[in-house]
Amino acid sequence: NAGVTQTPKFRVLKTGQSMTLLCAQDMNHEYMYWYRQDPGMGLRLIHYSVGEGTTAKGEVPDGYNVSRLKKQNFLLGLESAAPSQTSVYFCASSITSGGYNEQFFGPGTRLTVL
Amino acid sequence: AQKITQTQPGMFVQEKEAVTLDCTYDTSDQSYGLFWYKQPSSGEMIFLIYQGSYDEQNATEGRYSLNFQKARKSANLVISASQLGDSAMYFCAMREGISGNTGKLIFGQGTTLQVKP
Repeated sequence: NAGVTQTPKFRVLKTGQSMTLLCAQDMNHEYMYWYRQDPGMGLRLIHYSVGEGTTAKGEVPDGYNVSRLKKQNFLLGLESAAPSQTSVYFCASSITSGGYNEQFFGPGTRLTVL
Repeated sequence: AQKITQTQPGMFVQEKEAVTLDCTYDTSDQSYGLFWYKQPSSGEMIFLIYQGSYDEQNATEGRYSLNFQKARKSANLVISASQLGDSAMYFCAMREGISGNTGKLIFGQGTTLQVKP
């Protein structure tokens, strides 16, 4: 049981390049989330999904797209990377949306855009 | 709008002493959940403790307890008998009420705790 995994762990991009971050969970969770963490700030929600085939915008969605074609995977795409997207990206999942159910986080992806 | 505020950017505590990390929140929902996560220097997010808005008793998990004062909208984390391994960033987070039904978390800015030997 690996929990939540993220690929890659580190990446350096040039401005304008594109990439996809992969999040996978093996806990059969319905809900999945992408957050970014910047220095001096807490985590901010980019996009989320309440089930396979669904996605929705979070607090800071601009410049990102997501897809949830399979229940266990949640992909975050950057079509044209900008230096402002330099951040640490965390994926999380939870079995339900309420009650005593914490979000389980992946190890994070450190992205640098030059 | 929902908001979490952590007013202590950094805290120091002597090993074996207790420390309180402050968290205040703002929401118009009656039903909500409050979480604390620990982020050590290695970067992972570790769940510590949860408090539901309707829970009558303060949550406790080992050396962690949550001082929940609903009327004051505060959810402070208390760590008893601090250990060197408690040195980390601590985040308070709130999950919106059941009306949203999305499970989204709103995070505070975090507090860096350093435990001195």
